[in-house]
Amino acid sequence: DTGVSQNPRHKITKRGQNVTFRCDPISEHNRLYWYRQTLGQGPEFLTYFQNEAQLEKSRLLSDRFSAERPKGSFSTLEIQRTEQGDSAMYLCASSQGTNQPQHFGDGTRLSIL
Amino acid sequence: AQSVTQPDIHITVSEGASLELRCNYSYGATPYLFWYVQSPGQGLQLLLKYFSGDTLVQGIKGFEAEFKRSQSSFNLRKPSVHWSDAAEYFCAVGLSASGTYKYIFGTGTRLKVLA
Repeated sequence: DTGVSQNPRHKITKRGQNVTFRCDPISEHNRLYWYRQTLGQGPEFLTYFQNEAQLEKSRLLSDRFSAERPKGSFSTLEIQRTEQGDSAMYLCASSQGTNQPQHFGDGTRLSIL
Repeated sequence: AQSVTQPDIHITVSEGASLELRCNYSYGATPYLFWYVQSPGQGLQLLLKYFSGDTLVQGIKGFEAEFKRSQSSFNLRKPSVHWSDAAEYFCAVGLSASGTYKYIFGTGTRLKVLA
């Protein structure tokens, strides 16, 4: 069990640029979640995959955000035309089955200049 | 609407003292409840979980939590705090009726431990 891996750990970019984050879940986990955490807050749900299917998206996920999970393995989260308000920690989590807890990665911290 | 409330934003305790962190939830279906701990710049580590059965659950690092349905609470306790317990603690409810089992988190309680 190597845990959930997220890359990069930190991303600094200028406003208006596109960024992409990657999440590698625990290998046997079929469920994958993305959350966003801003300073002083708890994580907020963004989107959920079961295998390769994206089954739910939060209203927080504007049209500038897109997530994929090709082949049901790793996932990517892309933000287009970044804005100051996108600055946050983006957390990925995975789980296996409906009554198993989610395991979180260390997150990608995004800073918009 | 589903929600999780952690009424204490900051708590300071002396090393060796007991600890209780409060968590109240609002959810109409069967709650799946969790406590996670987060160190600065890190992800969340699972401390313990409640799905069903015994309402007193034991977790890692000497933590325990008690589920009280009548009070909609799931408070986290530790009998003797260590300096290494200083971190932020999050309570979460898993939405079992949604099919996704996504989590709703509280805003967290930051624990400071005095030597």
